[in-house]
Amino acid sequence: DIQMTQSPSSLSASVGDRVTITCRASQTISSYLNWYQQKPGKAPKLLIYGASSLQSGVPSRFSGSGSGTDFTLTISSLQPEDFATYYCQQSYSTLFTFGGGTKVEIK
Amino acid sequence: QVQLQQSGPGLVKPSQTLSLTCVISGDSVSNTSAAWNWIRQSPSRGLEWLGRTYYRSKWFNDYAVSVKSRITINPDTSKNHFSLQLNSVTPEDTAVYFCARYTVTGDYYFDYWGQGTLVTVSS
Repeated sequence: DIQMTQSPSSLSASVGDRVTITCRASQTISSYLNWYQQKPGKAPKLLIYGASSLQSGVPSRFSGSGSGTDFTLTISSLQPEDFATYYCQQSYSTLFTFGGGTKVEIK
Repeated sequence: QVQLQQSGPGLVKPSQTLSLTCVISGDSVSNTSAAWNWIRQSPSRGLEWLGRTYYRSKWFNDYAVSVKSRITINPDTSKNHFSLQLNSVTPEDTAVYFCARYTVTGDYYFDYWGQGTLVTVSS
């Protein structure tokens, strides 16, 4: 299986901050990398697919970049509704795997 | 608008079978451009993809290695749903279970999810 490692596992930030989350794959996955946001008691919500494509309806403050093994999710100006846990997921292998998550908390 | 509605018991005894159903609205389980998945989430294992069923002129299933010997995912075209059966459960199988769809667009991403079902394995 392809292992996905996210960092940090948690972070504290303030409204308006720029936040960056990283995801590293254990082998090259080209651009087959997706990002999800999950709030407590809810299913994950797709934010970014194909490493950098914004899902319809997702605010433009979210962006993704990277290819190969290293990827980033950036929130350009953190909003109150963005406090949540974020997960990466590889789809290079169709035996899909997820990262361990990054919890974004209020500072 | 696609909606996935899950149902099934929240408590299963050890060694018994976990059974969940995911009813699809706004799409078809036979959609040749989609695949229908089960994913679970627990504090110890995080988000774990379990398997999928999909139709491409015939039915296919793929399962995660971790559960391959115990899992069955079946489509039901008459009810437009798909189900999960996980045999011989242990407390390690306690988790929130989600159904989810992906479509074959070049990228594979889960765009629609069920609401999640907490299943506790306990006597």
